[in-house]
Amino acid sequence: QVQLVQSGADVKKPGSSVKVSCKASGGTFSSHTINWVRQAPGQGLEWMGRIIPLAGIANYAQRFQGRVTITAAKSTATAYMELSSLRFEDTAVYYCARAGGHGMDVWGQGTTVTVS
Amino acid sequence: DIQMTQSPSSLSASVGDRVTITCQASQDIKNYLNWYQQRPGKAPELLIYDASNLETGVPSRFRGSGSGTDFTFTISSLLPEDIATYYCQQYHTLPPTFGQGTKVEVK
Repeated sequence: QVQLVQSGADVKKPGSSVKVSCKASGGTFSSHTINWVRQAPGQGLEWMGRIIPLAGIANYAQRFQGRVTITAAKSTATAYMELSSLRFEDTAVYYCARAGGHGMDVWGQGTTVTVS
Repeated sequence: DIQMTQSPSSLSASVGDRVTITCQASQDIKNYLNWYQQRPGKAPELLIYDASNLETGVPSRFRGSGSGTDFTFTISSLLPEDIATYYCQQYHTLPPTFGQGTKVEVK
């Protein structure tokens, strides 16, 4: 059973960048997409973007366009999400989630990023 | 972007009650609709995909229905472990969008 294991919590200064990793243990990316979803404190879920690791193709939500970069290393089954020009309102839990033909069926444990 | 409107935003029910949540899409999304459960402090979990299909391992008290723009999520008999926030999500069109969530509490 594939698990997604994310990197640990991070604290960043406004204006800096953060890079969060998401490793698929117990399997490979296969033909799935890896999505990044964030959740600000007390708020709902917000999709940021996704990557098709086998093709290296990424799509981004318009509101993050230009600030977010999603990449994947097939050899290590690891996806990355880098968010730049951090603002206080980027403080959130960032999740990676695998999606196949339908829903996001496997989620990482979440990475707390605090901008302070 | 497709807007997903859930209601209610929160509810309180007794153990054994039937709980119903609705989700409305701003345009036709056919059956490209998923439901997730998020327990406090945990990552979301997929419960129902394609509007009405139960994800493997999910108890049968959870049910989804609907198509087009109007969808319903039901817990047939509420249990204490169902305390969570529930989200609908469309994947008909990029970007995938979520409803604002329904927080379910037990009386």
